[in-house]
Amino acid sequence: SQQGEEDPQALSIQEGENATMNCSYKTSINNLQWYRQNSGRGLVHLILIRSNEREKHSGRLRVTLDTSKKSSSLLITASRAADTASYFCATDQSGNTPLVFGKGTRLSVIA
Amino acid sequence: DGGITQSPKYLFRKEGQNVTLSCEQNLNHDAMYWYRQDPGQGLRLIYYSQIVNDFQKGDIAEGYSVSREKKESFPLTVTSAQKNPTAFYLCASRMAGAGRSPLHFGNGTRLTVT
Repeated sequence: SQQGEEDPQALSIQEGENATMNCSYKTSINNLQWYRQNSGRGLVHLILIRSNEREKHSGRLRVTLDTSKKSSSLLITASRAADTASYFCATDQSGNTPLVFGKGTRLSVIA
Repeated sequence: DGGITQSPKYLFRKEGQNVTLSCEQNLNHDAMYWYRQDPGQGLRLIYYSQIVNDFQKGDIAEGYSVSREKKESFPLTVTSAQKNPTAFYLCASRMAGAGRSPLHFGNGTRLTVT
């Protein structure tokens, strides 16, 4: 079952601009994770935010979580062409259940 | 370097044949997972295993089988009963019992069945 839904499905921006992707989910969670996938490759973990956290930063990444709205956002600041990839949110509902992934946002950063 | 190795990267089979995809990890992770990804789609869970000699069905297990005889290995067999097997298959692992640990992924196997 698909838990997270990313929005938009695709996003095209110029290098140097900020990119914002959103994720909505349906049930209560322990944490929410964001992953990146380059074309034809496996996913790489970017950042994890716990259900009791509201905001988290890692380098040029900023993640927010609003559990009352069941939504999260990923902001990439000062984007680079190398940020071109698909980005997925994944929800972790309890300690040992598998992560449930959304359909992803395809980001294109134009140099 | 620790990581997850999937092989082969590309696999071609004729319809009606079973095929096994390999997944090996040296991260000492207890839990392993198989996901399927179709073009422009998210990941859908096929099977997962939290411990050796035990595994559970995911959302789309029909037409697939797995085994977990060793901690390091979690092969996936795509059987002839799988109606639409052409897809990108991703294997992942993480520490079990640590619900906040991220998944580590292999680089996938692209299976084409004609």
